[in-house]
Amino acid sequence: DTAVSQTPKYLVTQMGNDKSIKCEQNLGHDTMYWYKQDSKKFLKIMFSYNNKELIINETVPNRFSPKSPDKAHLNLHINSLELGDSAVYFCASSQGRTGWYFGPGTRLTVL
Amino acid sequence: GESVGLHLPTLSVQEGDNSIINCAYSNSASDYFIWYKQESGKGPQFIIDIRSNMDKRQGQRVTVLLNKTVKHLSLQIAATQPGDSAVYFCAENIAGGGADGLTFGKGTHLIIQP
Repeated sequence: DTAVSQTPKYLVTQMGNDKSIKCEQNLGHDTMYWYKQDSKKFLKIMFSYNNKELIINETVPNRFSPKSPDKAHLNLHINSLELGDSAVYFCASSQGRTGWYFGPGTRLTVL
Repeated sequence: GESVGLHLPTLSVQEGDNSIINCAYSNSASDYFIWYKQESGKGPQFIIDIRSNMDKRQGQRVTVLLNKTVKHLSLQIAATQPGDSAVYFCAENIAGGGADGLTFGKGTHLIIQP
């Protein structure tokens, strides 16, 4: 069974559109995250959610909004997409300070 | 700015040789470190971790060394195989709670030559 899953795997869209990426973890972890990986492979944290509470927002534009319907899901909504939003987005989860597991990633391309 | 960095962006080794990937971190408050392997088109995969109260930790064919004096972390891979080709990241976490997330270094691309 996949520990952390994301959909879709690929997302191609026009500038200005609104899109969502879904994430689910079946590990029973308390905390979930979203990371962005740019074209140079640099990974940077965007958000984390712990028990439905936003813990971190690393200077991410407010066009990005994480939504967690329950402990096992953390979805990422992006409004008014811009060219610079093109990247690979990874969902991750952890239990305390151990066991950070990452999803397979969603490659977002904004045209 | 980032507090974790890697010395070499690309490392090429012969199959069967040992490889060493280095990482420097600047935040002395970091007390938990993880090495990840990322293959093309996939997410980062956990390899091995180490806490700051340890200097060395061994796994299967991998060893992580931590030198807190010079804020240096290394990953040693023994008898490299073609499947070891990937980008390797070190990541750090600071005491204060798991919700703080991980700070990643830039990554080293390990290339295994036949």
